[in-house]
Amino acid sequence: DTEVTQTPKHLVMGMTNKKSLKCEQHMGHRAMYWYKQKAKKPPELMFVYSYEKLSINESVPSRFSPECPNSSLLNLHLHALQPEDSALYLCASSQDRAGGQPQHFGDGTRLSIL
Amino acid sequence: QKEVEQNSGPLSVPEGAIASLNCTYSDRGSQSFFWYRQYSGKSPELIMFIYSNGDKEDGRFTAQLNKASQYVSLLIRDSQPSDSATYLCAVKGDAGGTSYGKLTFGQGTILTVHP
Repeated sequence: DTEVTQTPKHLVMGMTNKKSLKCEQHMGHRAMYWYKQKAKKPPELMFVYSYEKLSINESVPSRFSPECPNSSLLNLHLHALQPEDSALYLCASSQDRAGGQPQHFGDGTRLSIL
Repeated sequence: QKEVEQNSGPLSVPEGAIASLNCTYSDRGSQSFFWYRQYSGKSPELIMFIYSNGDKEDGRFTAQLNKASQYVSLLIRDSQPSDSATYLCAVKGDAGGTSYGKLTFGQGTILTVHP
């Protein structure tokens, strides 16, 4: 079990659906991250939140919309996704963005777009 | 383009042997280096992190860093079949730049430990 909790574990949605991925941590971490991972590839950074403010957006399409309601929660809102968006979506957190702080990953949400 | 390169695999070692995983990085300003283990279908799990030149040991794992050569490695002693996984090297961007806090991953090395 990890200290970063992601829900749901699996999600199947159509291209016209709207859904949200949730991530929660209670380690007091102030930096939270969304990654996308395709099979046999390393994780690719999507967004970084630092002290609840969006710090990095890696030119992610607008059909992905992040939200950080408070320091423990991170959401990823999904709308009008494409089949190529099917992947494992990973949330991570770290003490802060400082270089020495390791990121800890949740178990991920496996997303399939029909 | 900041890059992280790992030795191409897959790497196969017998049980009880030392597995050596290597990683080079292009950004000389990088300060923090991480090794993650990822089992098939699972999320990455932090194994080791290192900031200073030299060796850092934790149980059967030793991380080695040489900033002058821009090289970081992971040694796994007494390898076990349960160590079979993909190992990801990750380098963190230096402070102050636009990549501050960003982890750049290598492509990963698949390790198989056979009995």
